[in-house]
Amino acid sequence: QKEVEQDPGPLSVPEGAIVSLNCTYSNSAFQYFMWYRQYSRKGPELLMYTYSSGNKEDGRFTAQVDKSSKYISLFIRDSQPSDSATYLCAMAQAAGNKLTFGGGTRVLVKP
Amino acid sequence: DAGVIQSPRHEVTEMGQEVTLRCKPISGHNSLFWYRQTMMRGLELLIYFNNNVPIDDSGMPEDRFSAKMPNASFSTLKIQPSEPRDSAVYFCASSLMGTSGPPRELFFGEGSRLTVL
Repeated sequence: QKEVEQDPGPLSVPEGAIVSLNCTYSNSAFQYFMWYRQYSRKGPELLMYTYSSGNKEDGRFTAQVDKSSKYISLFIRDSQPSDSATYLCAMAQAAGNKLTFGGGTRVLVKP
Repeated sequence: DAGVIQSPRHEVTEMGQEVTLRCKPISGHNSLFWYRQTMMRGLELLIYFNNNVPIDDSGMPEDRFSAKMPNASFSTLKIQPSEPRDSAVYFCASSLMGTSGPPRELFFGEGSRLTVL
């Protein structure tokens, strides 16, 4: 079993819909949680960064962490075709820079 | 800032040949990471350097893989001899890592797509 599980998709939604993405993990030592966005033929770029449990909002994006359930989510409101990409969750323990990535979920937002 | 620069962007080679991938990190960043991405295994950390010193190479698949960072502005990942199962996209990323504390944002290059025939 992988340390971080993520549904590969693809997840296809109409423009304007809410996109809901999630990851589950098994290592209770993870404390830092990130979402990276990766466009086709490009490298991943950081989208959201949260620490421990709770919510964080940035524009149309909301990240949620539930450490008790070992479950994190990313919501994209009012989705746009430009949101079409692969979204990777990533996690790290208390110290060090070693991230463990999920496999990524491909999202397609149709005009 | 030009970002993380990787070369070549695409490489097609035959089994048994030596492959060298190159990376120039963002100026001022002190940590450099090599990742490999495949459909089956996702994004895997191969090795990372801090202040040009290899810190963790536990992800390097086998002795055919080696990585060096001779100075703060250059790193190489070498595969010798290459095999078809090495076909993947190899990403280099850099970061400004503190002496302690939480992980920092990784800045990725655009990747080197390797095909071994």
